[in-house]
Formats: sequence, C-alpha cells, structure tokens
Amino acid sequence: AQSVTQLGSHVSVSEGALVLLRCNYSSSVPPYLFWYVQYPNQGLQLLLKYTSAATLVKGINGFEAEFKKSETSFHLTKPSAHMSDAAEYFCAVSVSTGANSKLTFGKGITLSVRP
Amino acid sequence: NAGVTQTPKFRILKIGQSMTLQCTQDMNHNYMYWYRQDPGMGLKLIYYSVGAGITDKGEVPNGYNVSRSTTEDFPLRLELAAPSQTSVYFCASSSGLPRETQYFGPGTRLLVL
Repeated sequence: AQSVTQLGSHVSVSEGALVLLRCNYSSSVPPYLFWYVQYPNQGLQLLLKYTSAATLVKGINGFEAEFKKSETSFHLTKPSAHMSDAAEYFCAVSVSTGANSKLTFGKGITLSVRP
Repeated sequence: NAGVTQTPKFRILKIGQSMTLQCTQDMNHNYMYWYRQDPGMGLKLIYYSVGAGITDKGEVPNGYNVSRSTTEDFPLRLELAAPSQTSVYFCASSSGLPRETQYFGPGTRLLVL
C-alpha cells in the first residue's frame, strides 16, 4: 500500500522568503503525486501534480515541485512567499493498481506567512 | 458549471440522531468519494463509488452508509450520530484514472453533541 509522510505540522516564513514544504512517499509501483491547497473554510484545490512526464512540475500561484525517485520525495517550493499563501497544504499519492483509483493523503502542513 | 456542491454547510446533531449529507457533481464523473477531515489527521476516505449503483468501503466506513442511484449524486448517511463523528466532511469526484485530479466540494462541518 502507498503512503505519504509530511514531517511537521506547521511552517512559518516571512513574506518574500522561500517556501519549502516536504513530502516523502512510499509506493511499490510508480506513483502519481499531488499537492492540494486548502484555504480557510474551503475545500481542497489542486496546486500541481506529477504524472510521470517532467520531473519538475509547475503549478498555480508560482509553486513548483520536483519528483525525485531516488529520494522518494516530492517537495513543494515557492521562491517568494506572499501573505495569500497562508493555508494548509496536503501531499497525496495515487497508484495504478487496477480498476479503482484512490488518493492517500498526508496529514497536511499549515503554512503561516509573517509580514 | 458548479463543480461539486455539498449541503448543508454546517449542522449540529444530537447524539443518536441521523442525517444525510448531500453531494452533487455536474462534471459527469464516474468516481465519487467521501472523506472526513480531522485536525492534524489529513483526509480519511469513508466510502467511494465507481459509478451508479456501485459503492465500496474506504478506510473509515463504520457508522456511515452511502448510495449512488445517479451519476450526479452521492449522499452520505449518518445513522445514530456519535461525538466521534464530529468532523468536516468533503465530497470529491474524478474521472477515476489514478493520474486525474479529484475535485472537492466546499465541505460540511458537523458537530455532534
């Protein structure tokens, strides 16, 4: 079975600083990897996803993530944080193992941005 | 195009009461999902459906029931509500392929007292 580990529950950065949110996965077959963002009192929306094409994936709002098979990682980065980036971020993994497609989520990381 | 809609947005239940959380999608997706979100725990899959008339259990199905009579609708039924079911519930839909995005509704916040 696949799994996702997001170490830490909270990251705080200053506005304009680098954002780095870590995600490691475990899967016995090639994975598809996703980052979702959840703004306060809203549902989840897709930030970006890796689907076995380019290993460096660009998403919305200036975020990007790099798939590193050797490190089983899919860390999310943004060069310069903005106040509007404050939200909860979830890494998720999906694999192709037959007819049913299910996402397995990490526990999430809350990003705070200081003025 | 509304995407995935959920009703109600918020509900308070007394222990032992029952209720149905509604979910509707207008993207003609075959796959639909119900998750619960608890603080610090991420999202846990309750039930999912791969098409009308076909449902299956997820990771945490106890205390819940589902049905899928149409492609669009996937209601979640809580029987005999318990405080442990206090949570935020999200419905999602997708085409079903592992690489495809799941689209989420805005959620239903449920408090059981």
